[in-house]
Amino acid sequence: DVVLTQTPVSLSVTLGDQASISCRSSQSLEYSDGYTYLEWYLQKPGQSPQLLIYGVSNRFSGVPDRFIGSGSGTDFTLKISRVEPEDLGVYYCFQATHDPFTFGSGTKLEIK
Amino acid sequence: EVQLQQSGPEVGRPGSSVKISCKASGYTFTDYVMNWVKQSPGQGLEWIGWIDPEYGSTDYAEKFKKKATLTADTSSSTAYIQLSSLTSEDTATYFCARGDTMYTTDSPPYFDYWGQGVMVTVSS
Repeated sequence: DVVLTQTPVSLSVTLGDQASISCRSSQSLEYSDGYTYLEWYLQKPGQSPQLLIYGVSNRFSGVPDRFIGSGSGTDFTLKISRVEPEDLGVYYCFQATHDPFTFGSGTKLEIK
Repeated sequence: EVQLQQSGPEVGRPGSSVKISCKASGYTFTDYVMNWVKQSPGQGLEWIGWIDPEYGSTDYAEKFKKKATLTADTSSSTAYIQLSSLTSEDTATYFCARGDTMYTTDSPPYFDYWGQGVMVTVSS
């Protein structure tokens, strides 16, 4: 199975600052069609996960442009500029390129 | 508005089975696969599998092939997951999540809408 390693495990950020989360895959996430199926989800406290980014860099409907996904192959990054209070929670990367689909172990974002 | 409404919390005895539902509304049920995701207490997320409601076809992660059975009732736009031979390892919250695709209907999915989750507790 593909292992997604997220770093850091936790992150404490001052409001208004930038946060960056890394997701490294044990295999390339480029699919046979040439596209890369790497997503980012945020699970806020007590809630279901919600989609932020799909296909490496596409923001889901309603997601602020403060959230930027990038990367290719095995290395991916989620950057959150100008962190706001509602951004706290656990961020998960996820890959659907290889079966079984797998999630990263999560990065907990806390506000200082 | 797309909504996935899951059934209520379940308590099952070791060795028994439970069946959780996920009722979809706000879209054509047969146009999207439905995925299921497990979250053990205080832990991360695990993908269980998906079902294509139109054809009834399924795909499971290997570790859940003997544990979970996914079904769908197109007449009521409801997806189900049955968990069998319950053990303490099955105590978790189970989410349904709609799978949309970017390019073609055969592209791998991303999970755009999620149910609220169902807590399953295995206890004697």
